Amino acid sequence: SQKIEQNSEALNIQEGKTATLTCNYTNYSPAYLQWYRQDPGRGPVFLLLIRENEKEKRKERLKVTFDTTLKQSLFHITASQPADSATYLCALVTNDYKLSFGAGTTVTVRA
Amino acid sequence: DTAVSQTPKYLVTQMGNDKSIKCEQNLGHDTMYWYKQDSKKFLKIMFSYNNKELIINETVPNRFSPKSPDKAHLNLHINSLELGDSAVYFCASSLSTVQETQYFGPGTRLLVL
Repeated sequence: SQKIEQNSEALNIQEGKTATLTCNYTNYSPAYLQWYRQDPGRGPVFLLLIRENEKEKRKERLKVTFDTTLKQSLFHITASQPADSATYLCALVTNDYKLSFGAGTTVTVRA
Repeated sequence: DTAVSQTPKYLVTQMGNDKSIKCEQNLGHDTMYWYKQDSKKFLKIMFSYNNKELIINETVPNRFSPKSPDKAHLNLHINSLELGDSAVYFCASSLSTVQETQYFGPGTRLLVL
């Protein structure tokens, strides 16, 4: 069966450090992968999309990598700030054209 | 301007009641979705409409009935509410197909007592 796993439920880091989140998937061959941010009591907000032919994508302090051989995406927040504290979700389009989400990783950045 | 809006934001009701949640998007998108996020924060697709036509219908009890009067609106009606229906329901939209970036509403927190 198809699965998306974000292998940390929670990540606590010190302000200024880099947070690295992992998204692994099985039995998919996605053409691209998306990352969303969700704050408590709010809907997810799109952050980045990376295609299968792109190794890396950056947006300000965010960096995403996509390794289709390892079936893994890494999401990095560099120079983290307390305002980066949120839940981060990875999402893939499955073989039946639905966007499936991982369970999310909750990041807490300590000042 | 709110891109995707939902009403109500909170809904507390008794088991067995029928309730509706409304969603509107002003982005000019063709595709709209309903997602359910349970207590473990897992977000799961329920339905999708493209230009008023149902294109995704997940394994959802038929007590749940979506309706899209036009491409800017997607409502969700739930009959005979059960305790297990308690969750946060998110509406979302995308420009065309599911492959595009999705824009989510603020969610409707449903509590069935």
